[in-house]
Amino acid sequence: AQSVTQPDIHITVSEGASLELRCNYSYGATPYLFWYVQSPGQGLQLLLKYFSGDTLVQGIKGFEAEFKRSQSSFNLRKPSVHWSDAAEYFCAVGPIINTGTASKLTFGTGTRLQVTL
Amino acid sequence: NAGVTQTPKFRILKIGQSMTLQCTQDMNHNYMYWYRQDPGMGLKLIYYSVGAGITDKGEVPNGYNVSRSTTEDFPLRLELAAPSQTSVYFCASSYRPARQETQYFGPGTRLLVL
Repeated sequence: AQSVTQPDIHITVSEGASLELRCNYSYGATPYLFWYVQSPGQGLQLLLKYFSGDTLVQGIKGFEAEFKRSQSSFNLRKPSVHWSDAAEYFCAVGPIINTGTASKLTFGTGTRLQVTL
Repeated sequence: NAGVTQTPKFRILKIGQSMTLQCTQDMNHNYMYWYRQDPGMGLKLIYYSVGAGITDKGEVPNGYNVSRSTTEDFPLRLELAAPSQTSVYFCASSYRPARQETQYFGPGTRLLVL
């Protein structure tokens, strides 16, 4: 069964500092990979996704993520964090092969980002 | 274009009461989903639908029911509310299966069962 691990429950960074949020997955093959962001009181919004090709993926709001097959990781990065980036970030994986269900998108438990001024 | 809308935003239920969480999308998406989010946990899929008239169970369907009579609407029904159903519920939709496509989420319904 596929699984996603986000080892950091809570991260605090200073505004302007760089950010890296970790995501490791367990799956038999390379899955589809996603990063979603949830601002307080809001639903989730897609930041970026990886299906195939270039392992460095660019997303919205200046975020990027790098797929590393050898490490089963899909870490999210941002060179310079803004106070508005404070939110909860979820990594998710989905199987490439249709398992017969519409989703089976598996979410990690999330990392809460706090930004200090 | 409102995207995915959910009502109500917040509700308190007594044990044993029933209620329907409403979800509507105006993007003509075939796929719709209901998730619950518990503190410190990721989202868990409750039910999903691949089109009008077609629904199926997700990971945690017990205690819930759904219907999909139109493309736009996907209500979630709680028949006998239990404290374990205290959670935040998110509805989402996508044009293609979520495993390979962007999902669009509603703002959520916070439910408290006492």
